[in-house]
Amino acid sequence: GAGVSQSPSNKVTEKGKDVELRCDPISGHTALYWYRQSLGQGLEFLIYFQGNSAPDKSGLPSDRFSAERTGGSVSTLTIQRTQQEDSAVYLCASSLSGPASGQETQYFGPGTRLLVL
Amino acid sequence: QKEVEQNSGPLSVPEGAIASLNCTYSDRGSQSFFWYRQYSGKSPELIMFIYSNGDKEDGRFTAQLNKASQYVSLLIRDSQPSDSATYLCAVNKTGNQFYFGTGTSLTVIP
Repeated sequence: GAGVSQSPSNKVTEKGKDVELRCDPISGHTALYWYRQSLGQGLEFLIYFQGNSAPDKSGLPSDRFSAERTGGSVSTLTIQRTQQEDSAVYLCASSLSGPASGQETQYFGPGTRLLVL
Repeated sequence: QKEVEQNSGPLSVPEGAIASLNCTYSDRGSQSFFWYRQYSGKSPELIMFIYSNGDKEDGRFTAQLNKASQYVSLLIRDSQPSDSATYLCAVNKTGNQFYFGTGTSLTVIP
């Protein structure tokens, strides 16, 4: 597709359940980012993938959060044992290359709105 | 100290006026700077990026970068009601990290 796609667009779950959020980056983009945005807040960095390198997981808020990127393309963010404070919009972005490359402009997907009851 | 700081606003300007949005950053080694616009309920969309000191113009938008003072600004000329949104400043620190400010809410009054 022409842009970054994310699914599902909305997810309502019960506290304690696991959820998986999917991101399909722009074709050819080697860098992929996950962010979280709570109501009225800025973007909170979660994790960054660049090519086949080990991901930068420094933004993950707890060990309940994990992410994978298969084949250098599609990424899945998994939240285990969801808590009400996990409710937020989860945004994925991709860029042609990584930071300081001159091609690091990030393009965002539409986001997944997660509500934990 | 936050990595990237912006005034949250709200900033209100009349239609046709110049809107000025400011952002400061803490890492003097930061190399690239971005302005995103985010409409309510939507994802951020890129407006401009700037790498070098000085001004960069694109249509009604001008980004200004001053590395010595560690600030970057966005000017919107001839502001339109459709410019009403939250504007996010993003900075690429040395290394892999991007940092976003919390955004400035802009309202253009018809």
